[in-house]
Amino acid sequence: DVKVTQSSRYLVKRTGEKVFLECVQDMDHENMFWYRQDPGLGLRLIYFSYDVKMKEKGDIPEGYSVSREKKERFSLILESASTNQTSMYLCASSPIAGGYNEQFFGPGTRLTVL
Amino acid sequence: ILNVEQSPQSLHVQEGDSTNFTCSFPSSNFYALHWYRWETAKSPEALFVMTLNGDEKKKGRISATLNTKEGYSYLYIKGSQPEDSATYLCAFPTGTYKYIFGTGTRLKVLA
Repeated sequence: DVKVTQSSRYLVKRTGEKVFLECVQDMDHENMFWYRQDPGLGLRLIYFSYDVKMKEKGDIPEGYSVSREKKERFSLILESASTNQTSMYLCASSPIAGGYNEQFFGPGTRLTVL
Repeated sequence: ILNVEQSPQSLHVQEGDSTNFTCSFPSSNFYALHWYRWETAKSPEALFVMTLNGDEKKKGRISATLNTKEGYSYLYIKGSQPEDSATYLCAFPTGTYKYIFGTGTRLKVLA
């Protein structure tokens, strides 16, 4: 059974902390994505990666960075967490670039920043 | 600004009822239209990838249609069951890697 896993389901952090969200996929997919989901809004793309060590900004990259040192792992980093980063974070992967390919999602991490 | 809209935002139906909801998307530069189901505490999972105008796809009691000329897709659930309770998302690819997601339709099927 193919899987995308995320390191935590729930996370509570304090303002100013550095936060790492980890995502691992076991499908040998080239592409990986980080989204956030907020009430009343669709999933919004933060960053994506199309290869190891390659990354591109999505629609809302401010306050975030990413790391992809291995093909299966894509990390989202909040350098200095702020309350407006309280959200549900979803990781996804897809095998080939292009709008025809479905994305495979992790279960999400609900992050609360106090 | 490209926009993807889903309606209704939420609905409650009785077990056994059939229901449908809508995803509206830009009718220009169409690649595909994706439908996902997202059950509470689980990962969103792909239902359909619609690519051709007039496409109709089916998976069990769930089916979807596509009209690319007018920019909408319908998702139908026949004989709703409590396990169909979920948020149904549509996603419109705008390029190689980027998608615009709708806000979803939250379905609750009452036993």
